[in-house]
Amino acid sequence: AAGVIQSPRHLIKEKRETATLKCYPIPRHDTVYWYQQGPGQDPQFLISFYEKMQSDKGSIPDRFSAQQFSDYHSELNMSSLELGDSALYFCASSPNPQGEAFFGQGTRLTVV
Amino acid sequence: ILNVEQSPQSLHVQEGDSTNFTCSFPSSNFYALHWYRWETAKSPEALFVMTLNGDEKKKGRISATLNTKEGYSYLYIKGSQPEDSATYLCALRYGNKLVFGAGTILRVKS
Repeated sequence: AAGVIQSPRHLIKEKRETATLKCYPIPRHDTVYWYQQGPGQDPQFLISFYEKMQSDKGSIPDRFSAQQFSDYHSELNMSSLELGDSALYFCASSPNPQGEAFFGQGTRLTVV
Repeated sequence: ILNVEQSPQSLHVQEGDSTNFTCSFPSSNFYALHWYRWETAKSPEALFVMTLNGDEKKKGRISATLNTKEGYSYLYIKGSQPEDSATYLCALRYGNKLVFGAGTILRVKS
């Protein structure tokens, strides 16, 4: 069965650079969530989208932006990267905003 | 700020032991509670979605109960096996987002 696909799986960037993380939800899932998990920390909700519109926003820094495209894939853009942005970034999709969330494998971002 | 708390933080048991952990959450504005199993180097895998007070769900040796009035859910594992070793996360659905607890790390020794 198709799962949530995230790319890249690993990314190394320098401070002040920009990174773009991509998430391809399960087909026919219209809801996408982004989570950040720093080393030894709980997953933190960043932002969610439903039907290509932002539906909820969590602790997402102003340096980050995200969108969901017409094919339902989503991209998380991170600018002016800081060392503290090093984390595992998970994307999850759901068939609707109230349904079970299915997670991707995550993108490990390392900022050096 | 919504606070979802899980206890204990970690648990080490012997193969064959039964175990349980707790997820506590604010009982007001309850919509749904999710349990996830997260193995190292893998993505979280959904176990249960619970919505009704008194709900009890079961999947093999794992079961969960829900009390929305007092704001807690228990996850039980009967006869733990080494392959049950993982972090067990609960998440409260709040609007269009899931608010996660810190997780309970379970290690089962053979």
